[in-house]
Amino acid sequence: DSGVTQTPKHLITATGQRVTLRCSPRSGDLSVYWYQQSLDQGLQFLIQYYNGEERAKGNILERFSAQQFPDLHSELNLSSLELGDSALYFCASSDTGGEIQYFGAGTRLSVL
Amino acid sequence: SQQGEEDPQALSIQEGENATMNCSYKTSINNLQWYRQNSGRGLVHLILIRSNEREKHSGRLRVTLDTSKKSSSLLITASRAADTASYFCAVGGSNYKLTFGKGTLLTVNP
Repeated sequence: DSGVTQTPKHLITATGQRVTLRCSPRSGDLSVYWYQQSLDQGLQFLIQYYNGEERAKGNILERFSAQQFPDLHSELNLSSLELGDSALYFCASSDTGGEIQYFGAGTRLSVL
Repeated sequence: SQQGEEDPQALSIQEGENATMNCSYKTSINNLQWYRQNSGRGLVHLILIRSNEREKHSGRLRVTLDTSKKSSSLLITASRAADTASYFCAVGGSNYKLTFGKGTLLTVNP
């Protein structure tokens, strides 16, 4: 168990809908990262937050947004969902040193 | 892009044999890491090697790094069926961001 908790484990929704994925980092970790994993694109970095502030942005679509709250949990919001958004979404956290990331078990999103 | 690229894409071996996976990258790095992913699960960190290191060991894992060739290899010795998983290299830059390759799928047959 990595100590990173992601909910829900599975999410099935329809095109055009909006969903929120939640992540609780390891106790004491200030950084949270979001990744999308699909068969064709592999593991893509979406965005990083550090202590509530956005620190780095990757291949995140404008339809997607994230935030990190004062208690350090993070949410990834996906809107106007398309079939191609079906993927595994991972959250990871790291301590202040930031070199090693600890991954949650992921949320499997299916857009029908 | 700093993205690591693993080779081979898939590897099938018998239990007890050694497995070697390679990773190439394009730019300068702070560190290179290897992660493991069991089917559909989260990634688990295996080992980190810094840019000024050439070799590192952890249990049955041995990682080498050649910064002149921009490449790394992961060797798993005396493989077990439980080692069956996907293995990813991740390139760490100066901004704490990790860029992952597409992985090597290792199958260890009992």
